[in-house]
Amino acid sequence: KQEVTQIPAALSVPEGENLVLNCSFTDSAIYNLQWFRQDPGKGLTSLLLIQSSQREQTSGRLNASLDKSSGRSTLYIAASQPGDSATYLCALETSGSRLTFGEGTQLTVNP
Amino acid sequence: EAQVTQNPRYLITVTGKKLTVTCSQNMNHEYMSWYRQDPGLGLRQIYYSMNVEVTDKGDVPEGYKVSRKEKRNFPLILESPSPNQTSLYFCASSFSAGGRWYFGAGTRLSVL
Repeated sequence: KQEVTQIPAALSVPEGENLVLNCSFTDSAIYNLQWFRQDPGKGLTSLLLIQSSQREQTSGRLNASLDKSSGRSTLYIAASQPGDSATYLCALETSGSRLTFGEGTQLTVNP
Repeated sequence: EAQVTQNPRYLITVTGKKLTVTCSQNMNHEYMSWYRQDPGLGLRQIYYSMNVEVTDKGDVPEGYKVSRKEKRNFPLILESPSPNQTSLYFCASSFSAGGRWYFGAGTRLSVL
């Protein structure tokens, strides 16, 4: 059974800092890995999708990498801003269109 | 605007009173899914559907039913809600397996 772990559980940084969020998983037989953002009381917003055959994806200040051999993904956020404050979730899609989620990293960016 | 719409957003009910949470998507997606989110347990899949009339159980299907009579709609039915079904529920859709998933805004359910 796929298990997904996100470290750290919470992170507080000053504005402007570059930061890395980590996601590890136990089963490398995946379709893809997706990073989401969740704001309090709101739904999940898809940030980046990395297909199983890809190594990384970039969108603006965000860069996500995928290393299936080591069972790891990282989400890099450059020049963090207070508006980046949210919970970040990684999710892996396996067979049966099932997304298995980590418990998330709660990020606070202080002005 | 492409979106997944859930209703209601908030619901308080009592044990045993049947309820339905609706989910609709306007992106012509084949795949739809329901999740519940609980503190300390994260998001867990309840049911999913790969097409009209095709549904299957996720990790925590007990106490829930779904139907997929139309491509755009995927309602979640609680025939006899119990307090342990108090949770935040999300509906999601995707064009295909391996594609990007889009989530609704969530339904916060309290069962007294």
